[in-house]
Amino acid sequence: NAGVTQTPKFRVLKTGQSMTLLCAQDMNHEYMYWYRQDPGMGLRLIHYSVGEGTTAKGEVPDGYNVSRLKKQNFLLGLESAAPSQTSVYFCASRTDPTNQPQHFGDGTRLSIL
Amino acid sequence: DQQVKQNSPSLSVQEGRISILNCDYTNSMFDYFLWYKKYPAEGPTFLISISSIKDKNEDGRFTVFLNKSAKHLSLHIVPSQPGDSAVYFCAASGSNQGGKLIFGQGTELSVKP
Repeated sequence: NAGVTQTPKFRVLKTGQSMTLLCAQDMNHEYMYWYRQDPGMGLRLIHYSVGEGTTAKGEVPDGYNVSRLKKQNFLLGLESAAPSQTSVYFCASRTDPTNQPQHFGDGTRLSIL
Repeated sequence: DQQVKQNSPSLSVQEGRISILNCDYTNSMFDYFLWYKKYPAEGPTFLISISSIKDKNEDGRFTVFLNKSAKHLSLHIVPSQPGDSAVYFCAASGSNQGGKLIFGQGTELSVKP
């Protein structure tokens, strides 16, 4: 019963490098979300998806892109990493209908040097 | 503009006593509220939720109270246990917002034996 799995758990990048964070869920959930958590700021929504093939912007989308080619996977990409993107990234998913809790992965700790 | 606020960064309580964590919100369109618990190096775990049609929801040692007129919710933990020591986030969403959650900054609870 894996739930939401994030890959990798840790990564260090140099400024300007690119990378993709993978989120996989095995609960057949329609909705998936990417958040970042910074000290003293709670979790902020980057992008989200309401179903396979769909994506939408959240509160802090700049510098990130996402894709949802398969229902179970939600990818977060950084095309040109910046030190300001140093953060802990969390993926979450939830089922229908509305007013269901989101289930989170254990996070990816990303450092940009 | 912080729509969900947790004004106490930390709280220390003696084992067996009550813990009360508070959360305020500004957006009157929010109609679903949740509390998450987070241990270090793990993702947030759903704890309890409440819909705006209720003013109280109870689950074992955990009770959430909602005061819509004051735009305030609180989480009561009775009795508190050392294993409850964690960061607690409140979150809110509106039914017309695709299930997007807005999180507070978090309150770190320490329950001392």
